[in-house]
Amino acid sequence: GQNIDQPTEMTATEGAIVQINCTYQTSGFNGLFWYQQHAGEAPTFLSYNVLDGLEEKGRFSSFLSRSKGYSYLLLKELQMKDSASYLCAVIDSNYQLIWGAGTKLIIKP
Amino acid sequence: GAVVSQHPSRVICKSGTSVKIECRSLDFQATTMFWYRQFPKQSLMLMATSNEGSKATYEQGVEKDKFLINHASLTLSTLTVTSAHPEDSSFYICSATQGESSYNEQFFGPGTRLTVL
Repeated sequence: GQNIDQPTEMTATEGAIVQINCTYQTSGFNGLFWYQQHAGEAPTFLSYNVLDGLEEKGRFSSFLSRSKGYSYLLLKELQMKDSASYLCAVIDSNYQLIWGAGTKLIIKP
Repeated sequence: GAVVSQHPSRVICKSGTSVKIECRSLDFQATTMFWYRQFPKQSLMLMATSNEGSKATYEQGVEKDKFLINHASLTLSTLTVTSAHPEDSSFYICSATQGESSYNEQFFGPGTRLTVL
């Protein structure tokens, strides 16, 4: 079956760095998305990885290793507004988007 | 660019009534629109995929006669929850892509919170 694993919840301190991991087992792979979702709101796009390596975009970076079925989202210089859920989603061989359950990130002062 | 709107943002209705939710792509033509449902503290659950001018494709376990989807134009899709019951209370979110599969980035609407009394 298709499966995407993310930690349920993480806590970090304002100004620090946090890494949110995502591992996947899917029927094929055509890319991986990271989305941010604040409570009561719809998800917003953060990143898309289809090749191995690190993609950096401001304070956020996303890494992919296809051979390991692994990705992480790295958030630097954490701000209180970064408190949200972070969703990992994989496109499988049928071009269907498979969603992880999300990681709730709590930022403390 | 790539803005998706939903209406209404919040609706409360009595059990047994029907509720229609609209999803519009404001500045692009959305070949494909997706409808999701999200229960508290859970991830998005895809309900159906709709392409303009054709019947929606429903995910396993989603009743097509209960959740009616109409994608009549390239900028509008509607989801009608028929004979709503309290267990249908949820956060309903639509998304749209400019291509014909979820391979393209999905742009999400702000969501509609449905409460059935």
